[in-house]
Amino acid sequence: DTGVSQNPRHKITKRGQNVTFRCDPISEHNRLYWYRQTLGQGPEFLTYFQNEAQLEKSRLLSDRFSAERPKGSFSTLEIQRTEQGDSAMYLCASSHPAGNQPQHFGDGTRLSIL
Amino acid sequence: DAKTTQPNSMESNEEEPVHLPCNHSTISGTDYIHWYRQLPSQGPEYVIHGLTSNVNNRMASLAIAEDRKSSTLILHRATLRDAAVYYCILRRSGGYQKVTFGIGTKLQVIP
Repeated sequence: DTGVSQNPRHKITKRGQNVTFRCDPISEHNRLYWYRQTLGQGPEFLTYFQNEAQLEKSRLLSDRFSAERPKGSFSTLEIQRTEQGDSAMYLCASSHPAGNQPQHFGDGTRLSIL
Repeated sequence: DAKTTQPNSMESNEEEPVHLPCNHSTISGTDYIHWYRQLPSQGPEYVIHGLTSNVNNRMASLAIAEDRKSSTLILHRATLRDAAVYYCILRRSGGYQKVTFGIGTKLQVIP
């Protein structure tokens, strides 16, 4: 059973640089979610895709953040001009379209801004 | 979104049962109760969910109060691998629902 895959697992970058993360969901899942998690807190919702359509964006997702899912399969999350406050774990989840199905999470990308 | 409240932390002895409580007094009739857990350095993992009736699976049991304003996740025999943060969340039935996580309950299992 192939789960949700996220790459890279860790990213260290200097303030002001751009970073891009990739998420490969479970193949039959058409719903995809991005979350951000800081130390000691639960995951915070960032955005949601159904197939290739981005249907909801949190106010946490500033103009420096953009997410895409061009063919309804994998997704990317880009952060431009990174800031210290962007340091966090970025989690991706996917779920099956039928009913009240649970979300399956990847192990995240940990971003550290120097 | 309907909110849940959980104790920040709990302790259990290894091989003892663990009862993790969750209050959700503003739950609506179409809200499912979901539980996830998160081990260190991993993403959250689905544990169990239910609507009204108690539920059992290979990982745990979910006991739901008759008025649905609270629920309890039951681990029948805690192991060291069960040490994690446990999140209780509500998800409305049908279609898409944004999931709101709180800070969860950090479970420590004592050998």
